[in-house]
Amino acid sequence: DAGVTQSPTHLIKTRGQQVTLRCSPKSGHDTVSWYQQALGQGPQFIFQYYEEEERQRGNFPDRFSGHQFPNYSSELNVNALLLGDSALYLCASSKEGRWTGYTFGSGTRLTVV
Amino acid sequence: KQEVTQIPAALSVPEGENLVLNCSFTDSAIYNLQWFRQDPGKGLTSLLLIQSSQREQTSGRLNASLDKSSGRSTLYIAASQPGDSATYLCAVSKLSFGAGTTVTVRA
Repeated sequence: DAGVTQSPTHLIKTRGQQVTLRCSPKSGHDTVSWYQQALGQGPQFIFQYYEEEERQRGNFPDRFSGHQFPNYSSELNVNALLLGDSALYLCASSKEGRWTGYTFGSGTRLTVV
Repeated sequence: KQEVTQIPAALSVPEGENLVLNCSFTDSAIYNLQWFRQDPGKGLTSLLLIQSSQREQTSGRLNASLDKSSGRSTLYIAASQPGDSATYLCAVSKLSFGAGTTVTVRA
């Protein structure tokens, strides 16, 4: 039973650039949520995708956008990168309807220089 | 907006001691609560999930209780081991995480 897969695992980008992170949910899950985790902090909710639409959004600027594909996989895009965007980006999948909790991927470590 | 607080922020105990980790939340109208473990630089591993209709869940040495009326959940880890050293986070409903409690178990 494949868990949540995130790619890439590490990434270094320059300020002002754009980045795309990818997530494949656990088999049987249809909802994908993205989180940003700064060092020493708990995960902060960015947004959640279900049925290929953004269903909920946290307090993040429009530079953060996403997409969900028909196979339930998802992308997180960040434009005009800032140094403060350096963090661990976590993807979590879940099943709509009967709630069985989140399953998290190992994350993508983004460093903006 | 749901606020989640975990106290203490860090905890160091000798091997064999029982651990008690606390999670407080402000809005008692929650759907569920999930406890996670996170090793440095890694993703989150689910430990226990408590549905809103439940009072507790147990898995091996782990036991989590939920008291919605007081806005609290407690994670108990019995007979701690050095391998239990990690950060433990609670997530309330679907969106709100605490900052975590970092546990060090000394051999």
